[in-house]
Amino acid sequence: NAGVTQTPKFQVLKTGQSMTLQCAQDMNHNSMYWYRQDPGMGLRLIYYSASEGTTDKGEVPNGYNVSRLNKREFSLRLESAAPSQTSVYFCASSERASSTMNTGELFFGEGSRLTVL
Amino acid sequence: LAKTTQPISMDSYEGQEVNITCSHNNIATNDYITWYQQFPSQGPRFIIQGYKTKVTNEVASLFIPADRKSSTLSLPRVSLSDTAVYYCLVGETVTGGGNKLTFGTGTQLKVEL
Repeated sequence: NAGVTQTPKFQVLKTGQSMTLQCAQDMNHNSMYWYRQDPGMGLRLIYYSASEGTTDKGEVPNGYNVSRLNKREFSLRLESAAPSQTSVYFCASSERASSTMNTGELFFGEGSRLTVL
Repeated sequence: LAKTTQPISMDSYEGQEVNITCSHNNIATNDYITWYQQFPSQGPRFIIQGYKTKVTNEVASLFIPADRKSSTLSLPRVSLSDTAVYYCLVGETVTGGGNKLTFGTGTQLKVEL
Protein backbone atom coordinates (compact mmCIF):
# COMPACT_ATOMS: atom_id res chain seq x y z
CA ASN A 1 0.00 0.00 0.00
CA ALA A 2 1.18 3.50 -0.82
CA GLY A 3 -0.46 5.11 2.23
CA VAL A 4 -0.94 8.84 1.70
CA THR A 5 0.25 10.26 -1.61
CA GLN A 6 0.64 13.98 -2.27
CA THR A 7 1.26 15.75 -5.54
CA PRO A 8 3.14 17.79 -6.51
CA LYS A 9 6.14 17.45 -4.19
CA PHE A 10 7.53 20.83 -5.21
CA GLN A 11 5.92 23.90 -6.75
CA VAL A 12 6.92 27.49 -7.36
CA LEU A 13 4.18 30.04 -7.98
CA LYS A 14 4.01 33.73 -8.64
CA THR A 15 1.84 35.93 -6.47
CA GLY A 16 -1.75 35.75 -7.65
CA GLN A 17 -1.47 32.39 -9.39
CA SER A 18 -3.71 29.51 -8.42
CA MET A 19 -2.98 25.86 -7.91
CA THR A 20 -4.36 22.69 -6.37
CA LEU A 21 -2.52 20.26 -4.13
CA GLN A 22 -3.75 16.73 -4.51
CA CYS A 23 -3.91 14.09 -1.79
CA ALA A 24 -5.04 10.48 -1.96
CA GLN A 25 -5.06 7.71 0.62
CA ASP A 26 -5.56 3.99 0.10
CA MET A 27 -6.26 2.97 3.70
CA ASN A 28 -10.03 3.47 3.50
CA HIS A 29 -9.87 6.14 6.19
CA ASN A 30 -12.85 8.37 6.79
CA SER A 31 -10.99 11.47 7.99
CA MET A 32 -8.50 13.54 6.05
CA TYR A 33 -6.55 16.67 6.94
CA TRP A 34 -4.43 19.42 5.44
CA TYR A 35 -1.68 21.02 7.53
CA ARG A 36 0.92 23.63 6.77
CA GLN A 37 4.30 23.90 8.40
CA ASP A 38 6.39 27.03 8.12
CA PRO A 39 10.16 26.79 8.63
CA GLY A 40 11.05 26.04 12.25
CA MET A 41 7.41 26.01 13.29
CA GLY A 42 4.82 23.42 14.23
CA LEU A 43 1.98 22.10 12.11
CA ARG A 44 -1.15 24.16 11.74
CA LEU A 45 -4.44 22.68 10.65
CA ILE A 46 -5.91 24.32 7.53
CA TYR A 47 -8.97 22.22 6.80
CA TYR A 48 -10.18 18.76 7.60
CA SER A 49 -12.81 16.36 6.41
CA ALA A 50 -14.41 14.04 8.92
CA SER A 51 -15.99 11.93 6.21
CA GLU A 52 -16.79 11.93 2.53
CA GLY A 53 -18.95 14.92 1.71
CA THR A 54 -18.01 17.04 4.71
CA THR A 55 -15.30 19.63 5.25
CA ASP A 56 -14.55 21.98 8.14
CA LYS A 57 -12.21 24.85 8.84
CA GLY A 58 -9.16 24.36 10.96
CA GLU A 59 -6.91 26.94 12.58
CA VAL A 60 -5.75 28.80 9.44
CA PRO A 61 -8.31 28.39 6.62
CA ASN A 62 -8.09 31.87 5.05
CA GLY A 63 -6.83 31.82 1.48
CA TYR A 64 -7.61 28.13 0.94
CA ASN A 65 -10.44 25.97 -0.29
CA VAL A 66 -10.81 22.22 -0.12
CA SER A 67 -12.74 19.49 -1.86
CA ARG A 68 -13.36 16.00 -0.57
CA LEU A 69 -13.80 14.45 -3.98
CA ASN A 70 -14.50 10.96 -2.67
CA LYS A 71 -13.40 8.84 0.25
CA ARG A 72 -9.86 8.55 -1.12
CA GLU A 73 -9.13 12.10 -2.27
CA PHE A 74 -8.92 15.46 -0.51
CA SER A 75 -7.58 18.44 -2.46
CA LEU A 76 -6.40 21.84 -1.28
CA ARG A 77 -6.71 24.86 -3.56
CA LEU A 78 -5.01 28.22 -3.41
CA GLU A 79 -7.08 30.59 -5.51
CA SER A 80 -4.68 33.53 -5.43
CA ALA A 81 -1.34 32.59 -3.94
CA ALA A 82 0.47 35.00 -1.64
CA PRO A 83 4.07 34.93 -0.36
CA SER A 84 2.69 34.25 3.13
CA GLN A 85 1.51 30.88 1.83
CA THR A 86 5.06 29.72 1.22
CA SER A 87 5.23 26.61 3.33
CA VAL A 88 5.35 22.83 3.40
CA TYR A 89 1.90 21.32 3.14
CA PHE A 90 1.12 17.95 4.64
CA CYS A 91 -1.91 15.82 3.98
CA ALA A 92 -2.90 13.19 6.51
CA SER A 93 -5.61 10.65 7.12
CA SER A 94 -6.93 8.88 10.18
CA GLU A 95 -9.59 6.53 11.41
CA ARG A 96 -11.56 6.53 14.63
CA ALA A 97 -10.76 3.79 17.13
CA SER A 98 -14.48 3.07 17.43
CA SER A 99 -17.79 4.84 16.91
CA THR A 100 -17.43 6.59 20.26
CA MET A 101 -13.68 6.83 20.79
CA ASN A 102 -11.49 9.27 18.96
CA THR A 103 -8.11 8.36 17.63
CA GLY A 104 -5.22 10.68 16.97
CA GLU A 105 -3.27 8.23 14.84
CA LEU A 106 -2.52 10.20 11.73
CA PHE A 107 -0.81 8.87 8.63
CA PHE A 108 1.06 11.59 6.76
CA GLY A 109 2.13 12.12 3.20
CA GLU A 110 5.65 13.22 2.33
CA GLY A 111 4.71 16.86 2.01
CA SER A 112 4.40 19.40 -0.79
CA ARG A 113 6.89 22.25 -0.73
CA LEU A 114 5.33 25.42 -2.07
CA THR A 115 7.17 28.66 -2.74
CA VAL A 116 5.26 31.80 -3.70
CA LEU A 117 7.37 34.56 -5.19
CA LEU B 1 -6.58 28.12 24.91
CA ALA B 2 -3.99 25.69 23.57
CA LYS B 3 -5.06 22.08 23.86
CA THR B 4 -1.58 20.80 24.74
CA THR B 5 1.46 22.33 26.39
CA GLN B 6 4.97 20.90 26.15
CA PRO B 7 8.49 22.15 26.87
CA ILE B 8 9.93 23.89 23.83
CA SER B 9 13.22 22.01 23.96
CA MET B 10 15.18 19.37 25.83
CA ASP B 11 18.78 18.22 25.70
CA SER B 12 20.11 14.78 26.51
CA TYR B 13 23.05 12.47 25.96
CA GLU B 14 23.25 9.13 24.27
CA GLY B 15 22.21 6.24 26.48
CA GLN B 16 20.08 8.31 28.82
CA GLU B 17 16.36 7.98 29.37
CA VAL B 18 14.34 10.99 28.25
CA ASN B 19 10.92 11.91 29.61
CA ILE B 20 8.82 14.52 27.85
CA THR B 21 5.67 15.65 29.62
CA CYS B 22 2.62 17.11 27.93
CA SER B 23 -0.19 18.95 29.67
CA HIS B 24 -3.73 18.57 28.31
CA ASN B 25 -6.04 19.91 31.00
CA ASN B 26 -9.14 19.95 28.81
CA ILE B 27 -8.93 16.42 27.47
CA ALA B 28 -12.32 14.89 26.71
CA THR B 29 -13.55 11.54 27.92
CA ASN B 30 -13.34 9.96 24.49
CA ASP B 31 -9.93 11.33 23.50
CA TYR B 32 -6.83 9.22 23.15
CA ILE B 33 -3.38 10.73 23.65
CA THR B 34 -0.99 10.22 20.77
CA TRP B 35 2.67 11.09 20.37
CA TYR B 36 4.47 11.78 17.11
CA GLN B 37 8.08 12.20 16.06
CA GLN B 38 9.13 14.51 13.25
CA PHE B 39 12.47 14.72 11.51
CA PRO B 40 13.37 17.71 9.32
CA SER B 41 11.72 17.67 5.90
CA GLN B 42 9.48 14.74 6.81
CA GLY B 43 5.92 14.33 7.97
CA PRO B 44 5.31 13.35 11.60
CA ARG B 45 5.48 9.69 12.41
CA PHE B 46 3.32 7.89 14.97
CA ILE B 47 5.19 6.73 18.07
CA ILE B 48 2.64 5.59 20.63
CA GLN B 49 -0.95 6.05 21.69
CA GLY B 50 -2.77 5.50 24.95
CA TYR B 51 -5.91 6.23 26.92
CA LYS B 52 -4.93 5.63 30.54
CA THR B 53 -2.24 4.09 32.78
CA LYS B 54 0.81 2.81 30.92
CA VAL B 55 1.40 1.74 27.35
CA THR B 56 4.67 0.32 26.06
CA ASN B 57 5.85 -0.60 22.61
CA GLU B 58 9.21 -1.36 21.05
CA VAL B 59 10.34 2.27 20.96
CA ALA B 60 8.71 4.11 23.87
CA SER B 61 6.47 4.06 26.91
CA LEU B 62 3.57 6.35 27.64
CA PHE B 63 2.49 7.13 31.19
CA ILE B 64 -0.94 8.63 31.81
CA PRO B 65 -2.14 9.45 35.34
CA ALA B 66 -5.66 8.71 36.48
CA ASP B 67 -6.93 12.26 35.86
CA ARG B 68 -5.52 12.14 32.29
CA LYS B 69 -4.62 15.83 32.40
CA SER B 70 -1.06 15.10 31.43
CA SER B 71 1.02 12.39 29.83
CA THR B 72 4.70 11.53 29.75
CA LEU B 73 6.53 10.04 26.81
CA SER B 74 9.53 8.01 27.92
CA LEU B 75 12.32 7.20 25.48
CA PRO B 76 14.75 4.65 26.91
CA ARG B 77 18.45 4.92 26.09
CA VAL B 78 18.25 7.60 23.43
CA SER B 79 20.69 7.80 20.56
CA LEU B 80 21.70 10.57 18.18
CA SER B 81 19.01 9.39 15.76
CA ASP B 82 16.33 10.30 18.30
CA THR B 83 17.09 14.00 17.76
CA ALA B 84 13.74 15.25 16.45
CA VAL B 85 10.65 17.21 17.37
CA TYR B 86 8.11 15.34 19.49
CA TYR B 87 4.44 16.28 19.54
CA CYS B 88 1.63 15.13 21.77
CA LEU B 89 -1.81 15.28 20.28
CA VAL B 90 -5.32 14.92 21.63
CA GLY B 91 -8.43 15.03 19.52
CA GLU B 92 -11.36 17.40 19.69
CA THR B 93 -14.69 15.93 18.78
CA VAL B 94 -16.84 18.41 16.90
CA THR B 95 -20.47 18.42 15.87
CA GLY B 96 -21.10 15.72 13.33
CA GLY B 97 -18.54 13.35 14.74
CA GLY B 98 -15.47 14.92 13.21
CA ASN B 99 -12.11 14.70 14.92
CA LYS B 100 -10.31 18.04 14.80
CA LEU B 101 -6.64 17.25 15.34
CA THR B 102 -4.47 20.27 16.08
CA PHE B 103 -0.82 20.11 17.05
CA GLY B 104 0.88 22.06 19.78
CA THR B 105 4.32 23.58 19.52
CA GLY B 106 6.16 20.29 20.08
CA THR B 107 9.40 19.59 21.95
CA GLN B 108 12.72 19.76 20.14
CA LEU B 109 14.87 16.97 21.58
CA LYS B 110 18.59 17.21 20.95
CA VAL B 111 20.72 14.19 21.76
CA GLU B 112 24.48 14.60 22.01
CA LEU B 113 27.37 12.21 22.41
